[in-house]
Amino acid sequence: EAGVAQSPRYKIIEKRQSVAFWCNPISGHATLYWYQQILGQGPKLLIQFQNNGVVDDSQLPKDRFSAERLKGVDSTLKIQPAKLEDSAVYLCASSFRESLAGELFFGEGSRLTVL
Amino acid sequence: GNSVTQMEGPVTLSEEAFLTINCTYTATGYPSLFWYVQYPGEGLQLLLKATKADDKGSNKGFEATYRKETTSFHLEKGSVQVSDSAVYFCALSTFGGNNRLAFGKGNQVVVIP
Repeated sequence: EAGVAQSPRYKIIEKRQSVAFWCNPISGHATLYWYQQILGQGPKLLIQFQNNGVVDDSQLPKDRFSAERLKGVDSTLKIQPAKLEDSAVYLCASSFRESLAGELFFGEGSRLTVL
Repeated sequence: GNSVTQMEGPVTLSEEAFLTINCTYTATGYPSLFWYVQYPGEGLQLLLKATKADDKGSNKGFEATYRKETTSFHLEKGSVQVSDSAVYFCALSTFGGNNRLAFGKGNQVVVIP
């Protein structure tokens, strides 16, 4: 079974530039999550989708971050404009259904460095 | 709110030593508890879980018991191997409230041959 795919694995940008990350969840997983993991900290949930609808985006900095999952499968996370403090690993995860939210399958992450 | 606290600092130990990583939690309601592991260069993966008080989760020689009275879920392994070197995260989720998974800061474990 293919796992959660993410790209790019690494990205280096200047502050105030924009960046986009892509995620393809495990086939059949209705719930998709984006987490931000800053060095030395645990992952923090940014946004949660159920199919193509947003379930929770309370911790997403909406002035600069956006995410979409138009067809209920792939998702993109965008940052525009980026700040230094956005340097982190962005993790995508999926689960079969919301009631099993604790049992997430994670991708390898996209590491962002903002200079 | 829900939160998880893990012991400070990396853990370095010799092969075949006993490993304990402490985890305590604060939660409203009745959480499910998890340990996730992140091996070098890989994504996080679920190691074990427990969904109610006194449950013991186990996998790959690791164990953790859900202790409601002490609000703890400490991870243990009796004899570690070099291949256990990884970062270990304790996490919880509660039914309702969108089942958000809250993670601790993680502990780097380094096993020396």
